[in-house]
Amino acid sequence: SAVISQKPSRDICQRGTSLTIQCQVDSQVTMMFWYRQQPGQSLTLIATANQGSEATYESGFVIDKFPISRPNLTFSTLTVSNMSPEDSSIYLCSVVATGYGGYTFGSGTRLTVV
Amino acid sequence: DAKTTQPNSMESNEEEPVHLPCNHSTISGTDYIHWYRQLPSQGPEYVIHGLTSNVNNRMASLAIAEDRKSSTLILHRATLRDAAVYYCILRDGRAGGTSYGKLTFGQGTILTVHP
Repeated sequence: SAVISQKPSRDICQRGTSLTIQCQVDSQVTMMFWYRQQPGQSLTLIATANQGSEATYESGFVIDKFPISRPNLTFSTLTVSNMSPEDSSIYLCSVVATGYGGYTFGSGTRLTVV
Repeated sequence: DAKTTQPNSMESNEEEPVHLPCNHSTISGTDYIHWYRQLPSQGPEYVIHGLTSNVNNRMASLAIAEDRKSSTLILHRATLRDAAVYYCILRDGRAGGTSYGKLTFGQGTILTVHP
């Protein structure tokens, strides 16, 4: 199965600033997914990132707030822009693991905005 | 997106079997049934998935009803390390569809395992 390295694991940021989260996969994957998990809540899909095309955002999420890059088949970044305390969440990336059809998740980035 | 319904919480004793139910009455013929679990302070972990037939792996078994409107995740001997939130998710298997590949998480079932 795929192994995901997600960085940073946690950060504390000032409101109004931006944070870029990186996900590196040890194999080539077509689709990468970005999720948000607010405190005490389940995961919510932010967007799907395919290499060579614009990311597809879910309802309630916009590119200006969560720009995503997907420069190749093993790497993606999610930026949380102009942060406010409401953006304090865990952000996770995910890919479909080859070979058995399940999904692998990164360990998450715990973001606190003060 | 097809929805799933799970109990908010369940309890079990260590070394006993656990049956976690999931209802998905609006499942379509191309929806795969996925199960993931999330341990505290970790990302979700794949447990098992299936389409129509029952499935077994080293972690668990998945029993799928004949009409596919419900399924049960079976942990054969619960351990303290199995305490987690368990998510039952339907994954759209139609290539090219707008929801293809996406996982929509519900609230899941919080499993507590007692020593």
